[in-house]
Amino acid sequence: NAGVTQTPKFQVLKTGQSMTLQCAQDMNHNSMYWYRQDPGMGLRLIYYSASEGTTDKGEVPNGYNVSRLNKREFSLRLESAAPSQTSVYFCASRAGQENTEAFFGQGTRLTVV
Amino acid sequence: AQSVTQPDIHITVSEGASLELRCNYSYGATPYLFWYVQSPGQGLQLLLKYFSGDTLVQGIKGFEAEFKRSQSSFNLRKPSVHWSDAAEYFCAVGEGGSYIPTFGRGTSLIVHP
Repeated sequence: NAGVTQTPKFQVLKTGQSMTLQCAQDMNHNSMYWYRQDPGMGLRLIYYSASEGTTDKGEVPNGYNVSRLNKREFSLRLESAAPSQTSVYFCASRAGQENTEAFFGQGTRLTVV
Repeated sequence: AQSVTQPDIHITVSEGASLELRCNYSYGATPYLFWYVQSPGQGLQLLLKYFSGDTLVQGIKGFEAEFKRSQSSFNLRKPSVHWSDAAEYFCAVGEGGSYIPTFGRGTSLIVHP
């Protein structure tokens, strides 16, 4: 089972460049999430999509945009990358019912120089 | 707003010793509680979860956790640690309904031979 798939796994960007991180899940989950992980900070929520067609800001949304393309896919876009966005990005999905946990992708390690 | 505190940034134990990782949460109602483990360069894997019922929950890899409402705690335990348990451990809390997993900052477990 693929679960949650993120692409790419690694990326180096120059300051000011743009890119889109892709995430797809094959578990028919309703909710999807984007987190960033920084040393000593745990995982912080960037954006989430409670269901297809809806997106909402999380704790650290500045500098990012998202698209819930369909039920399977939830992309994260950096319009003008900054060194402060150097991080590991995780996508997660959840079925949407109350008694369910989140499943995570393997992460995208992004470096902005 | 819900929050999670993991007071220990690093924990060092000897192989074969017992382990307890602390987690305290802040949430008004009965929360949904989770422990995840992250091996280096990997995504997060669910160890165990608590939604309701028995306050002592069993998870994978020999881990267990106990929900104590009076102390707002959900500590993770293992009676005998193996070298392969060395990893980052995250406690998370979620609320029912819209549910957004909120993570603690993580505890890094170091296992000495």
